[in-house]
Amino acid sequence: DGGITQSPKYLFRKEGQNVTLSCEQNLNHDAMYWYRQDPGQGLRLIYYSQIVNDFQKGDIAEGYSVSREKKESFPLTVTSAQKNPTAFYLCASSNDRDPTNTGELFFGEGSRLTVL
Amino acid sequence: AQSVAQPEDQVNVAEGNPLTVKCTYSVSGNPYLFWYVQYPNRGLQFLLKYITGDNLVKGSYGFEAEFNKSQTSFHLKKPSALVSDSALYFCAVRYNFNKFYFGSGTKLNVKP
Repeated sequence: DGGITQSPKYLFRKEGQNVTLSCEQNLNHDAMYWYRQDPGQGLRLIYYSQIVNDFQKGDIAEGYSVSREKKESFPLTVTSAQKNPTAFYLCASSNDRDPTNTGELFFGEGSRLTVL
Repeated sequence: AQSVAQPEDQVNVAEGNPLTVKCTYSVSGNPYLFWYVQYPNRGLQFLLKYITGDNLVKGSYGFEAEFNKSQTSFHLKKPSALVSDSALYFCAVRYNFNKFYFGSGTKLNVKP
């Protein structure tokens, strides 16, 4: 079945450590996204990528980094510079070959990061 | 600026009763509007979208949404709520080619 796989599901980190969250998709989508979700807030865009080897900052990119070396993969690194990293992180993709540009986002199951 | 508002943090409804989850939007140009549902510790699942055409859009699990251009609203509805509908619901708008803006979410509680 086609879909988006995020790993790990749960991750614990000590302060000062970098961690990398994995996101893999087999939907053949060009565009991929990372969102952060905090209680009582909507999803906030961290980074997005429209094509391999290219990505753009979203609304809350500080303290995060990404890479897009392969179409299927869009890993997110939460660096020690991120002051409040405890959150639920969601990866998504969309089919931007749709000429109407009206396609929906497809989401992974999320990764919950807790800083100890 | 593009924005989406969900004015209710929580909606309570009895099983079997109709439900409405409200959403209003502010966009320039044609609005592309979406509803998603999220169960605890899970990703978001797509329910339905409005692109153009009929103002009443039908989606998954018996949900539908009514687009009202004059009121800039896109309320989610279901004629008869189920306990299993209890979840967090997000309204979203697509803009700038491939960016999405999400509302803050509404928690739906359906009581037996």
